[in-house]
Amino acid sequence: NAGVMQNPRHLVRRRGQEARLRCSPMKGHSHVYWYRQLPEEGLKFMVYLQKENIIDESGMPKERFSAEFPKEGPSILRIQQVVRGDSAAYFCASSLSLGGTEAFFGQGTRLTVV
Amino acid sequence: EDKVVQSPLSLVVHEGDTVTLNCSYEVTNFRSLLWYKQEKKAPTFLFMLTSSGIEKKSGRLSSILDKKELSSILNITATQTGDSAIYLCAVGETSGSRLTFGEGTQLTVNP
Repeated sequence: NAGVMQNPRHLVRRRGQEARLRCSPMKGHSHVYWYRQLPEEGLKFMVYLQKENIIDESGMPKERFSAEFPKEGPSILRIQQVVRGDSAAYFCASSLSLGGTEAFFGQGTRLTVV
Repeated sequence: EDKVVQSPLSLVVHEGDTVTLNCSYEVTNFRSLLWYKQEKKAPTFLFMLTSSGIEKKSGRLSSILDKKELSSILNITATQTGDSAIYLCAVGETSGSRLTFGEGTQLTVNP
């Protein structure tokens, strides 16, 4: 059973470009969470999705950031017009159900904006 | 705002030592507390605690939750260099949609 798969592992973008980060949850998991880890800081919640639905996006910046989890395919975190402050590690986690089960994390995507 | 505080922030020990890492929390609707180990990349799951006073154990690692004191400890006995990592504590709410993480404890085990 493959774990949570994220790609790419490393992504370099110039300021103003778009960044697309992908996450395939563990098999059978229908709950996906995105977290951001800035340098020297802890993990911060961004968004929680189930298939085709955004359930909680209270941790996501209001502009330039969006997330989706389509019926088929991976979850996508999209950052438009990236700025240097977006440089961080972005982690995806998935869980079997809401509440009562642990979340498993992917390896993360390290985004560098130059 | 929900808050998770870990201490110490950093700890350096020698192989064979026993360490205790602390986590305290302020959460509106507590559901569970989780411990993760983060080495170079992904946080890997260690324990999930929901009931007070029940110790969870896995090899040399153990953890216990105290809901009255709003805290948890993670113990590692007979530490090894491979235990060197950041240990993250996270708390989940009854709404279930997010984990609130602490800053982590950086543990370094020297040979």
